[in-house]
Amino acid sequence: DAGITQSPRHKVTETGTPVTLRCHQTENHRYMYWYRQDPGHGLRLIHYSYGVKDTDKGEVSDGYSVSRSKTEDFLLTLESATSSQTSVYFCAISAFDSTYEQYFGPGTRLTVT
Amino acid sequence: GNSVTQMEGPVTLSEEAFLTINCTYTATGYPSLFWYVQYPGEGLQLLLKATKADDKGSNKGFEATYRKETTSFHLEKGSVQVSDSAVYFCALKGSGGSYIPTFGRGTSLIVHP
Repeated sequence: DAGITQSPRHKVTETGTPVTLRCHQTENHRYMYWYRQDPGHGLRLIHYSYGVKDTDKGEVSDGYSVSRSKTEDFLLTLESATSSQTSVYFCAISAFDSTYEQYFGPGTRLTVT
Repeated sequence: GNSVTQMEGPVTLSEEAFLTINCTYTATGYPSLFWYVQYPGEGLQLLLKATKADDKGSNKGFEATYRKETTSFHLEKGSVQVSDSAVYFCALKGSGGSYIPTFGRGTSLIVHP
């Protein structure tokens, strides 16, 4: 199994508070991704990174920011959490090769009250 | 742009039944194709992949053949087990320099004893 951990695994927070989710990998893979998964919407890409300090927006990036200061860590910040950001968040990694198959973390269940 | 269409679920089967989950795609060039599986409470795991036309990916009794003429990558298993109950995602990685995959919405499979 690919070495990907996410923390925290569960979090309950209040509307308006900032929240940071962490993804940590031990595979030294170049690419990292943040997705959210909601019923009826499948997986939606929030942000991704193609190297240290190199990040870009996905399809649902509003209200989220990311940072990658080291190869192994990719942080997702909800600047001011809203109830619409209640979701399960998955981190994924992929290597620089021809197929870019992804390996996913176990997920973080975030509830914004 | 690229897109992946999967059959809507849930698919409900009895143990030992034959499984087919349909997946068709739209993409230019020669994408790589994937099936991922998500067991309850977990992240997605790569189940199988195919990188060129007529390739057959296989794993754990599941198979899928890359059919360029019909732009399809249907998932099959000859005899399902209760432990196969999960959500299955079809995905593609476009040809060229793209490292952002496109996922289908997922198909839930429920297998009864």
